[in-house]
Amino acid sequence: GAVVSQHPSWVICKSGTSVKIECRSLDFQATTMFWYRQFPKQSLMLMATSNEGSKATYEQGVEKDKFLINHASLTLSTLTVTSAHPEDSSFYICSASTPGARANYGYTFGSGTRLTVV
Amino acid sequence: DAKTTQPPSMDCAEGRAANLPCNHSTISGNEYVYWYRQIHSQGPQYIIHGLKNNETNEMASLIITEDRKSSTLILPHATLRDTAVYYCIVRVPGANSKLTFGKGITLSVRP
Repeated sequence: GAVVSQHPSWVICKSGTSVKIECRSLDFQATTMFWYRQFPKQSLMLMATSNEGSKATYEQGVEKDKFLINHASLTLSTLTVTSAHPEDSSFYICSASTPGARANYGYTFGSGTRLTVV
Repeated sequence: DAKTTQPPSMDCAEGRAANLPCNHSTISGNEYVYWYRQIHSQGPQYIIHGLKNNETNEMASLIITEDRKSSTLILPHATLRDTAVYYCIVRVPGANSKLTFGKGITLSVRP
């Protein structure tokens, strides 16, 4: 149980276009999801906390107008990178708070999305 | 900022135990120690967590010192597939509690 599906696993887009990344909790409801970004040979950096039915909370230094987060249902959160530039190329990872008895286990992570902006 | 410190890397031979250390000298009384690992180009995977008692599951054992200022993750019989970056994280359990990742330790298992 507690599976998080992230789609697409990789995407290449042209500079100036927008890209949407989906994060779904397959077998549980996730009221809270988190979005991370990871550059090569670096650790995961938390970008924002996504709460179902409310606005996302962004970490300091993350542009909310560039990284649009929507959490319209208990099983789906989306991250849209708007007007992408090559410096946005990175590995984007989502995670969901694991409910019930497994809550203490922390979070379940998606498999990540490799974004390359050309 | 991450509240843990780990050596940057270590290696071990396949089939031997891998002991991964972590220092968390400023850990609070209600914070748990969590270990995750990230295999290259994948999302992190939960391994184990504990508060003050030693814990064991099918993946690993977690040894926490009595003063809780450090811990060791033990992979009893390392395989090549255990090559990954291992992250030690302290946090208070809860649905909205953030996971803050430090640099982790890169474990290389050699044949």
